[in-house]
Amino acid sequence: GAGVSQSPSNKVTEKGKDVELRCDPISGHTALYWYRQSLGQGLEFLIYFQGNSAPDKSGLPSDRFSAERTGGSVSTLTIQRTQQEDSAVYLCASSLQGWQYFGPGTRLTVT
Amino acid sequence: RKEVEQDPGPFNVPEGATVAFNCTYSNSASQSFFWYRQDCRKEPKLLMSVYSSGNEDGRFTAQLNRASQYISLLIRDSKLSDSATYLCVVWGGSTLGRLYFGRGTQLTVWP
Repeated sequence: GAGVSQSPSNKVTEKGKDVELRCDPISGHTALYWYRQSLGQGLEFLIYFQGNSAPDKSGLPSDRFSAERTGGSVSTLTIQRTQQEDSAVYLCASSLQGWQYFGPGTRLTVT
Repeated sequence: RKEVEQDPGPFNVPEGATVAFNCTYSNSASQSFFWYRQDCRKEPKLLMSVYSSGNEDGRFTAQLNRASQYISLLIRDSKLSDSATYLCVVWGGSTLGRLYFGRGTQLTVWP
């Protein structure tokens, strides 16, 4: 596809369950980012992958959050033992040189 | 101190009005600057880059003042379709390669 894709588009899960969110970046983009956005709030940076470098994990809110990027392409964000405060839209973006293109996001609801 | 600071608004203007948004950034080493637009419940999308010489795209004009670490966006002849949140974005701040997003300025254009 031409743009960044994310799956699932919506995810409802029970508190305490683990979830995996997937991001397929634009082909050839070396950088990949995860953000989350709560309703009416700004973007909250989570993690940043650049090529083969160690990821910048400084935005992960707790050790329940982790992410990996396999083969420099697809990325998975995992949230373990989900809490209600994890409910948000999780956005993935990829870029080549600064300009960042976002996927449509995954809306996560923890009940 | 936040990397990027914006007035959150909201700005409510009539059609045809001229409106200006400002933001400041904290890291003088920042290299590139952008404005993104985010419609309600959608992902952010690149609106335009910002250059030191100033640049214009139709009704939109962006300015950068490196000495003051200040970025602006001017919208002339506002349209209803301009209603959105405008995000000020800086690349290459504290962590090279990362984009830093302001919280956004909300604009509503009324008929």
